Amino acid sequence: GQSLEQPSEVTAVEGAIVQINCTYQTSGFYGLSWYQQHDGGAPTFLSYNALDGLEETGRFSSFLSRSDSYGYLLLQELQMKDSASYFCAVRDEGGSYIPTFGRGTSLIVHP
Amino acid sequence: KAGVTQTPRYLIKTRGQQVTLSCSPISGHRSVSWYQQTPGQGLQFLFEYFSETQRNKGNFPGRFSGRQFSNSRSEMNVSTLELGDSALYLCASSPEGRPETQYFGPGTRLLVL
Repeated sequence: GQSLEQPSEVTAVEGAIVQINCTYQTSGFYGLSWYQQHDGGAPTFLSYNALDGLEETGRFSSFLSRSDSYGYLLLQELQMKDSASYFCAVRDEGGSYIPTFGRGTSLIVHP
Repeated sequence: KAGVTQTPRYLIKTRGQQVTLSCSPISGHRSVSWYQQTPGQGLQFLFEYFSETQRNKGNFPGRFSGRQFSNSRSEMNVSTLELGDSALYLCASSPEGRPETQYFGPGTRLLVL
């Protein structure tokens, strides 16, 4: 089985840096993905970590530590448009490759 | 490239009816997955199709079914609708060999009365 834990809500101000954590428990592990979803919109793929370390894509970075079963999404130079829900997701390498999503973190960016 | 498209965007049905939702993946993507999103349960995987074959299936009752056509377009069907089936149904496609990268469509919002 798989389970992912992430905070339900995070608030920050424009221009700040925010980190959204994700811890997981899986019977196997294939990699950690992150998605962004604005209210009323569809999830949008942000990043994927298959190996330990940091992946950087513009203002967004994602980190993975397989030994700690932990990852995070780092958002820098926050903008109002970053207010959205952020989901971490894993695929079990136990054979079924069923993707499991966390419950999502609602990021609220204040001016 | 055009993104993933889904039809219809909104649907209202009554209990006991059935519904068919349609999804067209990004051109060249042969993998199509379906998800159900509700405030209570979050985003849950329904099933995945690849080259017209169901490759994976989530933990949903048999009332939920799907299929994929030779052009990779996919449909999902829900029979004997229940109130709890009210949800946003999302379709996603992914490039071959990159299942971790899901490109989602806008979804079909289904309301069951």
